[in-house]
Formats: sequence, structure tokens, C-alpha cells
Amino acid sequence: DADVTQTPRNRITKTGKRIMLECSQTKGHDRMYWYRQDPGLGLRLIYYSFDVKDINKGEISDGYSVSRQAQAKFSLSLESAIPNQTALYFCATSDPTGTPQETQYFGPGTRLLVL
Amino acid sequence: LAKTTQPVSMDSYEGQEVNITCSHNNIATNDYITWYQQFPSQGPRFIIQGYKTKVTNEVASLFIPADRKSSTLSLPRVSLSDTAVYYCLVGDQGGSYIPTFGRGTSLIVHP
Repeated sequence: DADVTQTPRNRITKTGKRIMLECSQTKGHDRMYWYRQDPGLGLRLIYYSFDVKDINKGEISDGYSVSRQAQAKFSLSLESAIPNQTALYFCATSDPTGTPQETQYFGPGTRLLVL
Repeated sequence: LAKTTQPVSMDSYEGQEVNITCSHNNIATNDYITWYQQFPSQGPRFIIQGYKTKVTNEVASLFIPADRKSSTLSLPRVSLSDTAVYYCLVGDQGGSYIPTFGRGTSLIVHP
């Protein structure tokens, strides 16, 4: 079984709809992240969480919100989806005490299309 | 946070050695250098990490000069399956480290 899972893997929605992308991990890591990737661009950080009580904005948090329901679960919500949020979304985890240091482990991604 | 600069793209042929250099002029004393590989429509995966000199594993080698202001990822005898985007990250692992991925280097391996 995959250590980091994302649901759904693909999603088509309409402008204005609220949607949630979910991420679960079995690695026991405290740190979790949400990134988006657009064609030809690198990964841009949306939100990150260093533990269940810690939520931080990344470089492109506008239009998004997150919830850390437990150590293993980190959800990303688009309150009112817009077409320029069409992208590939990745969840990742890391362990600051692990070796190699702070290696990130990524989920398979969620491809989102906003019409 | 140390900024990194790497080529946008590179081309190679099967069987050749590929070297991708990353510049990080303002690297801090506690910073490690980490490289990731990303195949199309997949999340990045860790390749190699180093602090100084040379590190080698079953996938690649990482060369870091004494001043640590740059690093070179070396892929020996590439194959078509090495076609991917390669990211160089620099940071003080642990603590308040926030991984920052740039655009990476898109490597295309030709037959």
C-alpha cells in the first residue's frame, strides 16, 4: 500500500463550487504539505503543517484553506473554485528527524479541472 | 533561505553521463543539498542528499566543492527512463525548513 494517498485522483468541477482534496499518510510523519503544479512550472507551496496544531500559509494560499484533522490527514479545500485553479495538486510529508534529513514523500497527485 | 539556480533544460542520449549543476551562492553553514526527480504526472521522489564532498548511491552521484556554492548531480549512463525533471533544494533540514522547489531542470534523453 502507498504511504501517501490522495483522493480523488481526478476531479472535474465547475466555477464557484466548493471542493475538498484529501491526503492521508501512514508514514507517521508530523509534517505535511500541499503543493500545486502548473504545466512547465515547478511546485508551488500552498499550505504546510508541522503538526496537528500548526497550520501555515505558503506562497500561494489565496483561494485555498486546509484542515489537519489528525497526524495522518491533511485536507485542502477550494472554497469557490475558479478556472485558474486548474492544476495538478500534490500532498507531501516529511520527518525532520529522519535520515536523509527532511526528505519529502509525495502522494500520486490529484488532477483538478475547473470549468 | 538559499536560492538555487539550475539550467531549465538539458538534452542527452542513451548511454551518456549527464551532469546537472545547481548554483547556491548564499548557502548557509547548516544547509544540506537535496536532489529530487519527477516523472510526468508523478510526485517528486528523493534521489540524493549531501553536505560536502561526494555522495554516491545506486541512482546518482552528488559532487559538492569545498566552498559549497554549487553542486553537481551526475547520472551515469542515462537511459530513456531517466527523462524527468530534476530539482535542487538547499536548506537547513529540520527546524523551520520549508522545502522550496523551483522549476527544476527538464532532462530529455534521446535514443
